[in-house]
Amino acid sequence: AQSVAQPEDQVNVAEGNPLTVKCTYSVSGNPYLFWYVQYPNRGLQFLLKYITGDNLVKGSYGFEAEFNKSQTSFHLKKPSALVSDSALYFCAVSGATNKLIFGTGTLLAVQP
Amino acid sequence: NAGVTQTPKFQVLKTGQSMTLQCAQDMNHEYMSWYRQDPGMGLRLIHYSVGAGITDQGEVPNGYNVSRSTTEDFPLRLLSAAPSQTSVYFCASRSDRGGNQPQHFGDGTRLSIL
Repeated sequence: AQSVAQPEDQVNVAEGNPLTVKCTYSVSGNPYLFWYVQYPNRGLQFLLKYITGDNLVKGSYGFEAEFNKSQTSFHLKKPSALVSDSALYFCAVSGATNKLIFGTGTLLAVQP
Repeated sequence: NAGVTQTPKFQVLKTGQSMTLQCAQDMNHEYMSWYRQDPGMGLRLIHYSVGAGITDQGEVPNGYNVSRSTTEDFPLRLLSAAPSQTSVYFCASRSDRGGNQPQHFGDGTRLSIL
């Protein structure tokens, strides 16, 4: 069965500092990996995806993620955090099945 | 394009009542799905469909029914509401069946069961 783990319920970072939101996955076969962001009272918005190819994936709003097959990880990163980045972030994976399974989410809080 | 539209946005039901959550997309997407979001549990897949006339169960299908008579619509039915079904429900669609395209989400239906 496929699964996603986001080990941190919340990540706190000061504005201007780099941020990392962690994600590990378990799936049969090659993974399709995604990051989504959710703002209050809204649906999820797509940030970036890894399907194949370069392990460093760039996405919207300056976010990027690094795929590490040996560690089965897909951590979300940004070099310099903004207060407006504060939101709930979800990692998701689909594999041999076509179901997209989500992690439990990580709340990112960026302090001014 | 409106994208994915969910109605109603809010609903309060009594235990045992039935209702249908509506979901429509105008992007001609084959794949549609329903999730519920609960605090600390992320999004859990309820049911999904890879095309008109085809549906399948996700992680938490009990207590919910779906049908897909058209490409555009994918309603979710609660046959006999229970307090455990209090949640925020999201509908999503994507263009491919295979899973390598991102999903587009509606803004959700906030459902309370008393």
